[in-house]
Amino acid sequence: DAKTTQPPSMDCAEGRAANLPCNHSTISGNEYVYWYRQIHSQGPQYIIHGLKNNETNEMASLIITEDRKSSTLILPHATLRDTAVYYCIVTGGATNKLIFGTGTLLAVQP
Amino acid sequence: GAVVSQHPSWVICKSGTSVKIECRSLDFQATTMFWYRQFPKQSLMLMATSNEGSKATYEQGVEKDKFLINHASLTLSTLTVTSAHPEDSSFYICSAMDTQSYNEQFFGPGTRLTVL
Repeated sequence: DAKTTQPPSMDCAEGRAANLPCNHSTISGNEYVYWYRQIHSQGPQYIIHGLKNNETNEMASLIITEDRKSSTLILPHATLRDTAVYYCIVTGGATNKLIFGTGTLLAVQP
Repeated sequence: GAVVSQHPSWVICKSGTSVKIECRSLDFQATTMFWYRQFPKQSLMLMATSNEGSKATYEQGVEKDKFLINHASLTLSTLTVTSAHPEDSSFYICSAMDTQSYNEQFFGPGTRLTVL
């Protein structure tokens, strides 16, 4: 079973920041938080990952709370092409398996 | 970035036939690949972990005799759906783990299988 909880859907206006929350209250000390997204009928695309520090790359920022029980993915300036299902995944250890939950369908509105 | 390809991108077959799907890492070596299936409007479900040079590890409930996995080289894993039936119709996606990039997984574009 997935170890994360995400809202099923969110809307965001084009050009505004999209903040996608994720709860992972049972995360272990050696587990990472990964974010992927899947545009309709395509393979998932890696976005970002982190352990405990906040991370930023060219696509997004990842904010992890101090207790690591939740995180937020931030798309700073959402575009229509960011409409997708966003998956927050907790993984780590020897297997590196990604167990996908139901994700959040982000709809960017013009 | 790392690229993973799948072939074919879509396939239609008759019930009872077998179908082979290829997953290739194009610019990196992958000792570990993963196979997923996805039904319409559902999330990805991990089917198995494919390890180069050894037997695949299947998730609970996945029939290993029906979904044959071979990982014969560091850049190629294949999934064969044997004696396919309409209920096997699905979107099959592979991922390859790049050990040179923090074990990051890169996904293929998926293969749409339709069994008539």
